[in-house]
Amino acid sequence: EIVLTQSPGTLSLSPGERATLSCRASQSVSSNYLAWYQQKPGQAPRLLIYGASSRATGIPDRFSGSGSGTDFTLTISRLEPEDFAVYYCQQYGSSPWTFGQGTKVEIK
Amino acid sequence: EVQLVESGGGLVQPGGSLRLSCAASGFTFSSFEMNWVRQAPGKGLEWVSYISSRGSTIYYADSVKGRFTISRDNAKNSLYLQMNSLRAEDTAVYYCAKDGGWFGVFWGQGTLVTVSS
Repeated sequence: EIVLTQSPGTLSLSPGERATLSCRASQSVSSNYLAWYQQKPGQAPRLLIYGASSRATGIPDRFSGSGSGTDFTLTISRLEPEDFAVYYCQQYGSSPWTFGQGTKVEIK
Repeated sequence: EVQLVESGGGLVQPGGSLRLSCAASGFTFSSFEMNWVRQAPGKGLEWVSYISSRGSTIYYADSVKGRFTISRDNAKNSLYLQMNSLRAEDTAVYYCAKDGGWFGVFWGQGTLVTVSS
């Protein structure tokens, strides 16, 4: 199975700053079937990005995804107060689905 | 509007059984592959099981193989997870998840399963 490694584990930033989150795969992700999710306490994961770089419906354009093959990045251009949360990457092109361990974006 | 509503979670003793259900609406359920994913308290996401659109192909995580059974009823737009021989490490929120292909995964809100004596 494909192992996804996210870095850093925690990102301490202030509102208005730029956040850059990394997701590295142990082998190439099929057809860039790579998604990013945001999760807040007590809530289900919310799809932000699919296909490595396509924003899901209703997601603000401050969220962007990039990358291919084994290296992927989620960028939040200017952090809003509601963006402080845990972010997960997921590959869904190969069975079984696998997830990164998460990056927590916290207020500095 | 796509909706997935899980039910059936609760407190169960080690060795016990539970059956989770997921009611789907807002899309043609019989056309989509479905999965269960779980999240232990304070932990990350773990894929549990997969079922093809007609139910002919099924996969399980090694951690639940032989104990959990996934099934679906396309006439009732419902997905199920029968969980037997439950262990403390099965304690988690269980999410029903629709495989949208290229367009990613749509999640239900989850149901909490607690295995404790």
